[in-house]
Amino acid sequence: GENVEQHPSTLSVQEGDSAVIKCTYSDSASNYFPWYKQELGKGPQLIIDIRSNVGEKKDQRIAVTLNKTAKHFSLHITETQPEDSAVYFCAASRVVRGGADGLTFGKGTHLIIQP
Amino acid sequence: NAGVTQTPKFQVLKTGQSMTLQCAQDMNHEYMSWYRQDPGMGLRLIHYSVGAGITDQGEVPNGYNVSRSTTEDFPLRLLSAAPSQTSVYFCASRAGTGTQYFGPGTRLLVL
Repeated sequence: GENVEQHPSTLSVQEGDSAVIKCTYSDSASNYFPWYKQELGKGPQLIIDIRSNVGEKKDQRIAVTLNKTAKHFSLHITETQPEDSAVYFCAASRVVRGGADGLTFGKGTHLIIQP
Repeated sequence: NAGVTQTPKFQVLKTGQSMTLQCAQDMNHEYMSWYRQDPGMGLRLIHYSVGAGITDQGEVPNGYNVSRSTTEDFPLRLLSAAPSQTSVYFCASRAGTGTQYFGPGTRLLVL
């Protein structure tokens, strides 16, 4: 089955600096790579996702890059703000209509924004 | 539009007791899933369903049962709770190959 490794487990950056979280996956058939943000006591919320036919995707201060050959993908947050402090999870899945639904998650990165 | 809802928010059980965690979605999504979240382990898939009447096992299915009689509901049953099932449980749903939405979670403590 799929295996997703996520690094680092904890990341502390100064407010205004950039943060990068990296993930690798093992199943070359995986084609969908979402990133979730989880605040304390809440469920994961999708912040950005990328599919295997795209190399990069941006949404304001957040971007995700995908390298299919190397089987890794990264989350980039620029101009970090205190409200970016949370746990971030990457995930991978082989999503096909009518097929298996499950996401395989990384173990999470606790992002701390220092004022 | 409530999205994905879960009840209860918190539950304490004694070893051997049974209970059902409820999950409902009002988005007419075909796919629904149950995950458990443990410290340092991320989220792991327990069971999933690709439509009413169809369910299958995920990564950690032992000790859990599911059924899907309607599109909206996907309950998770613990037949005989064990301390190892102490966790936070999340239900999720998606349509087709789209975004997966998570519920707010149920915190379960088994003594």
